[in-house]
Amino acid sequence: DGGITQSPKYLFRKEGQNVTLSCEQNLNHDAMYWYRQDPGQGLRLIYYSQIVNDFQKGDIAEGYSVSREKKESFPLTVTSAQKNPTAFYLCASSTIRAEAFFGQGTRLTVV
Amino acid sequence: AQSVTQPDIHITVSEGASLELRCNYSYGATPYLFWYVQSPGQGLQLLLKYFSGDTLVQGIKGFEAEFKRSQSSFNLRKPSVHWSDAAEYFCAVGALSKVGSSNTGKLIFGQGTTLQVKP
Repeated sequence: DGGITQSPKYLFRKEGQNVTLSCEQNLNHDAMYWYRQDPGQGLRLIYYSQIVNDFQKGDIAEGYSVSREKKESFPLTVTSAQKNPTAFYLCASSTIRAEAFFGQGTRLTVV
Repeated sequence: AQSVTQPDIHITVSEGASLELRCNYSYGATPYLFWYVQSPGQGLQLLLKYFSGDTLVQGIKGFEAEFKRSQSSFNLRKPSVHWSDAAEYFCAVGALSKVGSSNTGKLIFGQGTTLQVKP
């Protein structure tokens, strides 16, 4: 089955710790995206990548980092510089017409 | 700047009643338009899309949407709502490059409309 796989579904982070969220796709899409979702704020773009070994900052990139070493994979690291990381994180990939396919999300909580 | 507006943050309808969710966009060319649905704690699922051609598009789960260029709108409709339709709905438009002439592949989302269904 083709799709987007995010893991883990739930993640807990201690203060000052870096954590990495996984996103894998087998749709053969060039473009991949990370969004953050907070209650009442819709989706905000963190980073996106339109080709392997290249990525761009979105609207709220501070405190996050990404890599795109393989077409299928686009992991997101939430660094200790992100002061308010508790949120729901969504990964997506898209066709060239911007038709996006989403993973099931990772809920990150600071403990 | 390109934007998408969903004027209704929250809508409540009775089961079996008709539904219309509004979406307006600002765009300089023929847009790529989408509606997504999200259940609590889940990812977004594509309901329907418009690229070109017939301005009335059919989607999954009995939804349809109509593209009206003159009103810059892409409203989502369903003739008879089911309790399982309770969810959050997002309208999105494909973003143009800064030059304004080509699609970037990114999406610009509205803030979402939460649909509650009364029994």
